[in-house]
Amino acid sequence: AQSVTQLDSQVPVFEEAPVELRCNYSSSVSVYLFWYVQYPNQGLQLLLKYLSGSTLVKGINGFEAEFNKSQTSFHLRKPSVHISDTAEYFCAVSDLADSWGKLQFGAGTQVVVTP
Amino acid sequence: EADIYQTPRYLVIGTGKKITLECSQTMGHDKMYWYQQDPGMELHLIHYSYGVNSTEKGDLSSESTVSRIRTEHFPLTLESARPSHTSQYLCASSDPPNGRGFSGYTFGSGTRLTVV
Repeated sequence: AQSVTQLDSQVPVFEEAPVELRCNYSSSVSVYLFWYVQYPNQGLQLLLKYLSGSTLVKGINGFEAEFNKSQTSFHLRKPSVHISDTAEYFCAVSDLADSWGKLQFGAGTQVVVTP
Repeated sequence: EADIYQTPRYLVIGTGKKITLECSQTMGHDKMYWYQQDPGMELHLIHYSYGVNSTEKGDLSSESTVSRIRTEHFPLTLESARPSHTSQYLCASSDPPNGRGFSGYTFGSGTRLTVV
C-alpha cells in the first residue's frame, strides 16, 4: 500500500511571498495524485489533481504542482500567497492498480500566512 | 453548492447519549467514507462502504458503527458517547476511476462533536 509523506508539518510564510509544500509517496507504480485544502472548521476541498499528461498541473486559487515520477514527489507551489491561504493542505495518492480508487492521505501541512 | 451534506455541523452532547451523524450525497457515488480528525491533525479513516449493504472498518479502530441501506445515505452512530469521542467527523464519497478520469473524493463540511 502507498504511504504519503508531507515533509513539513507547518510552514510560516509572509504575505506575497512564495510557498512550496512538499509531498513524497512511497511507490513508483503509476499513481493519481491530489492536493486538498482545508480551511478552519471545514471539510476538504480539491485544489488540483494529476491523472496523466503534463507533469505541471494548475489548480484553483493560483496553486500549481509538479509531478516528478523519478523522485516520487508532487510538490505544491504558489508564487505569492494571501492571508486567505492560511489553511491545512493535504496531499493524497491513489494507485492506478487499485480499481476502487482508494486515497491515501498525508498528515497535512499547516500554512500560516502573516502580514 | 455542496453535493454531500453532513448534519449537524456542531453537536455538544452529554456522556452516555446515543448520537447519529448524518451524511448524504446526491452524486450517486457508490463509495462513501468516514474520517475522524482532531483539530489541525491528520485524517483517520474509521469506516467505508463500497455500496448498499457493504460496510468495512477503516484503519483506525472506532466504537462507532455505520450503515448503508441507501446509496445516498451513510449515517454514523455512537451508542454511548464519551469525552474521548470528541473530534471532527468528515464524510466523503467518490466514484471509481474510469475511462473519463478520476475526481478523487468529495468531502462534506464535517460535524464537530463535543462530548461533555
